[in-house]
Amino acid sequence: GDQVEQSPSALSLHEGTGSALRCNFTTTMRAVQWFRKNSRGSLINLFYLASGTKENGRLKSAFDSKERYSTLHIRDAQLEDSGTYFCAAVSGSWQLIFGSGTQLTVMP
Amino acid sequence: EAAVTQSPRNKVAVTGGKVTLSCNQTNNHNNMYWYRQDTGHGLRLIHYSYGAGSTEKGDIPDGYKASRPSQENFSLILELATPSQTSVYFCASGGRDWGIYAEQFFGPGTRLTVL
Repeated sequence: GDQVEQSPSALSLHEGTGSALRCNFTTTMRAVQWFRKNSRGSLINLFYLASGTKENGRLKSAFDSKERYSTLHIRDAQLEDSGTYFCAAVSGSWQLIFGSGTQLTVMP
Repeated sequence: EAAVTQSPRNKVAVTGGKVTLSCNQTNNHNNMYWYRQDTGHGLRLIHYSYGAGSTEKGDIPDGYKASRPSQENFSLILELATPSQTSVYFCASGGRDWGIYAEQFFGPGTRLTVL
């Protein structure tokens, strides 16, 4: 079935640096959502994209349905950015299919 | 004010017991969903609903039932809980409705432990 491959599975950053997370899709997806699971276990909505790019503060996301991928860029990482990040693609049947998550640790 | 709430937030159950997880949303969304999330994995869809009185099977429905008595409320029922159902359960509302996709919003999760 439809799958979402998320990488890396774990990432460590020093404060002030940045990096990118990536999700590849095995088939064409309609849209993508990005979430962060915070220390209390809640899923926080970061982005919803049906195409193109969106930016919010130090986060920027892109979605390319034709090339079957989405990215989440984090710049100037802060300690409070730590958590697990999930991408979830909207499939052809309009369901959300989740990646396995990226555990981000931001170090002082 | 939280738009999707879940209760209880934590639950310990015994094998063979009945467990009911509740979800309430004030987003006025027609669609609601139940997922489970296991360590190292993404969320997987158990059941969903298009509106009051509707329940549909998701990808992993075995061992679970769902009930949608109203627009606002959606319950997940484990009639005979097993240790393999130990997990964190998330409820969500949103998704495709009347031809328009609205992003899904999630509740805070319920941590269920079945002993």
